[in-house]
Amino acid sequence: EAQVTQNPRYLITVTGKKLTVTCSQNMNHEYMSWYRQDPGLGLRQIYYSMNVEVTDKGDVPEGYKVSRKEKRNFPLILESPSPNQTSLYFCATSTSGHSSYEQYFGPGTRLTVT
Amino acid sequence: GENVEQHPSTLSVQEGDSAVIKCTYSDSASNYFPWYKQELGKRPQLIIDIRSNVGEKKDQRIAVTLNKTAKHFSLHITETQPEDSAVYFCAASIYGNQFYFGTGTSLTVIP
Repeated sequence: EAQVTQNPRYLITVTGKKLTVTCSQNMNHEYMSWYRQDPGLGLRQIYYSMNVEVTDKGDVPEGYKVSRKEKRNFPLILESPSPNQTSLYFCATSTSGHSSYEQYFGPGTRLTVT
Repeated sequence: GENVEQHPSTLSVQEGDSAVIKCTYSDSASNYFPWYKQELGKRPQLIIDIRSNVGEKKDQRIAVTLNKTAKHFSLHITETQPEDSAVYFCAASIYGNQFYFGTGTSLTVIP
């Protein structure tokens, strides 16, 4: 079954404690991306990756890091989380080919930073 | 960077009526415009998309129109049903790289 998985699905942590949210896909998609969703602000792109070892900043990259060492995985790293990073996070993937730019979203990770 | 504005933020319609959601964008280089539907507690899912070389696209009760000159695009849902109730997001992108989303429209279809 084609799917995008995220772990953990829920996380409560404290300010400054490093954390990683994993994203994995089994669809052999080149493109992967991270978004945060906040009430009234819609979805905002944090980072995206067109392929292995290629990453680019989205609209709101401050406070986040990513890496793309393998095609199927695209972890999101918060080195020193702060309360303003409390949000719902979505990973998304796409074939990024000329035929389709459709993004498939993961189930989301709800992060609370106290 | 790109700026995508979406209106209205909330929309209520009677079942069977039509619903229209509008978005504007600022970067004339944007060439891909998807619409996503997000039901409560669920992930966003693509419902329709359009590229800049096309003015209109239709899929059953859903249609999208694009006016490149005016830099706006719209989602049209006809014969609305209660299961159409959700939050709808528009987005703009250049060749599917960086994406800019609107702030969403909460659609309620009243039975």
